[in-house]
Amino acid sequence: RKEVEQDPGPFNVPEGATVAFNCTYSNSASQSFFWYRQDCRKEPKLLMSVYSSGNEDGRFTAQLNRASQYISLLIRDSKLSDSATYLCVVNGWGGGADGLTFGKGTHLIIQP
Amino acid sequence: NAGVTQTPKFQVLKTGQSMTLQCAQDMNHNSMYWYRQDPGMGLRLIYYSASEGTTDKGEVPNGYNVSRLNKREFSLRLESAAPSQTSVYFCASRTDRTDTQYFGPGTRLTVL
Repeated sequence: RKEVEQDPGPFNVPEGATVAFNCTYSNSASQSFFWYRQDCRKEPKLLMSVYSSGNEDGRFTAQLNRASQYISLLIRDSKLSDSATYLCVVNGWGGGADGLTFGKGTHLIIQP
Repeated sequence: NAGVTQTPKFQVLKTGQSMTLQCAQDMNHNSMYWYRQDPGMGLRLIYYSASEGTTDKGEVPNGYNVSRLNKREFSLRLESAAPSQTSVYFCASRTDRTDTQYFGPGTRLTVL
């Protein structure tokens, strides 16, 4: 079974701080990587794709390390609205399916 | 453009009852998916459909059937509900160009 592992947290972080999450994946053949955000009792929504060269979207930076098979997400100047669960997602779960494998998520709480 | 819609939002069943969860997308996506999400387990793929007229099993298909009625609609049926099927069910669809999946708002199902 292909695995995606995340620290479940919760991460309790003061507003304005920088927080980083890591995620490891076991399927070395994976080609697509994502971070999704899920608010309580809501559906997952795409936060950002993760590219080999690393990419940034405002306060969010994602990095991919293929050699070590891990993905990271950095959030700078955290806001109260960043409180959510962050899901690490990797494609290619095997068996010919084109579905995604989801990590169990890291719960982030931004405190005022 | 409503994206992915699901009905019903909530449902309570008794053990042994049957029901169908409905999902529709208006983004002209070929691929559609059904996931279940349980506390501490993350999202798990039940069934997927790579195109109209095709369906395939995911990680946890037992106790479920699916129908890809047309390109827009993908339904999930529980023939004889069991308490172990108490969960939140998400439908998703995927753009053909990338692996990005878009989720519906979910159906919260309780089986007593």
